[in-house]
Amino acid sequence: EAGVAQSPRYKIIEKRQSVAFWCNPISGHATLYWYQQILGQGPKLLIQFQNNGVVDDSQLPKDRFSAERLKGVDSTLKIQPAKLEDSAVYLCASSLGPGGGAGYTFGSGTRLTVV
Amino acid sequence: AQSVTQLDSQVPVFEEAPVELRCNYSSSVSVYLFWYVQYPNQGLQLLLKYLSGSTLVKGINGFEAEFNKSQTSFHLRKPSVHISDTAEYFCAVSGSWGYQKVTFGTGTKLQVIP
Repeated sequence: EAGVAQSPRYKIIEKRQSVAFWCNPISGHATLYWYQQILGQGPKLLIQFQNNGVVDDSQLPKDRFSAERLKGVDSTLKIQPAKLEDSAVYLCASSLGPGGGAGYTFGSGTRLTVV
Repeated sequence: AQSVTQLDSQVPVFEEAPVELRCNYSSSVSVYLFWYVQYPNQGLQLLLKYLSGSTLVKGINGFEAEFNKSQTSFHLRKPSVHISDTAEYFCAVSGSWGYQKVTFGTGTKLQVIP
């Protein structure tokens, strides 16, 4: 089975610019997650989708971050405008069902550097 | 809400020696517990998970973990490590019902010394 695909792998932008990340989950996985992993820290959930509806976005900085999952498959995470503290790896994960019990499958991540 | 504490940020160990990576959790409800491994420049891979039943859980690559409810711990063990086990290991927890998000610890870097 194909894994979770993410692109790009690396991105360098200047502060105040905008950037978008793309994720294609495993086929049939209804739940999709975006995590932010800052260097030296564990991943932090930004947003969780169940099909194309948002289940949890309580830690998403909504003044600058947005995410969508059209048609319940692919997802895009956008940052506009970017700040220096947004430098991190952005991980997408998917699972068959909600909650942790099904186990997540992670993509390789997008490493964002804001200069 | 649930949280996990990984007590060691780095653990050096000689090749073929045993290792234990410690994890304690906090929750007011029943939980699921996980260990993930992250190799450099890669995403996280599930090592093992505890959902219910036997408290001793076996995972991939020879790792196992024991759920101890009284001590709220879920320590990861391997009897003999290899160079290829050098990676960062994350303990994680979620509630056991509904749309419960998975919360990760800060990670433990395992360095296997030849």
